[in-house]
Amino acid sequence: AQSVTQLDSHVSVSEGTPVLLRCNYSSSYSPSLFWYVQHPNKGLQLLLKYTSAATLVKGINGFEAEFKKSETSFHLTKPSAHMSDAAEYFCVVSDLPSFGNEKLTFGTGTRLTIIP
Amino acid sequence: DTGVSQDPRHKITKRGQNVTFRCDPISEHNRLYWYRQTLGQGPEFLTYFQNEAQLEKSRLLSDRFSAERPKGSFSTLEIQRTEQGDSAMYLCASSLGQGFTDTQYFGPGTRLTVL
Repeated sequence: AQSVTQLDSHVSVSEGTPVLLRCNYSSSYSPSLFWYVQHPNKGLQLLLKYTSAATLVKGINGFEAEFKKSETSFHLTKPSAHMSDAAEYFCVVSDLPSFGNEKLTFGTGTRLTIIP
Repeated sequence: DTGVSQDPRHKITKRGQNVTFRCDPISEHNRLYWYRQTLGQGPEFLTYFQNEAQLEKSRLLSDRFSAERPKGSFSTLEIQRTEQGDSAMYLCASSLGQGFTDTQYFGPGTRLTVL
């Protein structure tokens, strides 16, 4: 079974400073990895995904993540935090392989707080 | 572009009552997923449809839960004899179904409160 571990349940950064949200994964296969963001009272939105192409993945709103197989990590970063980035972030792994089923396995989430 | 919609957005019910939720996926999406999210946790997979066929069910989906997608379009999730432990956000997602790496798009969820 595949799993992800989000190493921080809560991260606080000042506006304009870098953001680092950490994620480690466990997988028996070559995984697909995702970061989703959940703003209050809004649906989950895909930030970015890794699917065995380039190891550095760029997403929306200036976020990016680097797949490091040797460290089994997929950390999410952003050079400069904005107030609108305050949300819950989920690291996600797809349950591969199977019969085309992309059952997603979510981490427990990291709440990002931006300090003005 | 219309996203995934869910109805109702909120449901409050008394223990023992039956509830039904509806999910309308993005049009022409072949795959539809149901997840459950409890407070402070990430969503957990419940079940999955490829067109109208229900292909996988999680152990979380007890006998009181049933899901359908009769014409391969919208889906319903019914919970019979609700229990307080069923209180959660129920999320629906859909995807095109173009292989192992297509993207799941999520709806806003239905928040269930069982009193």
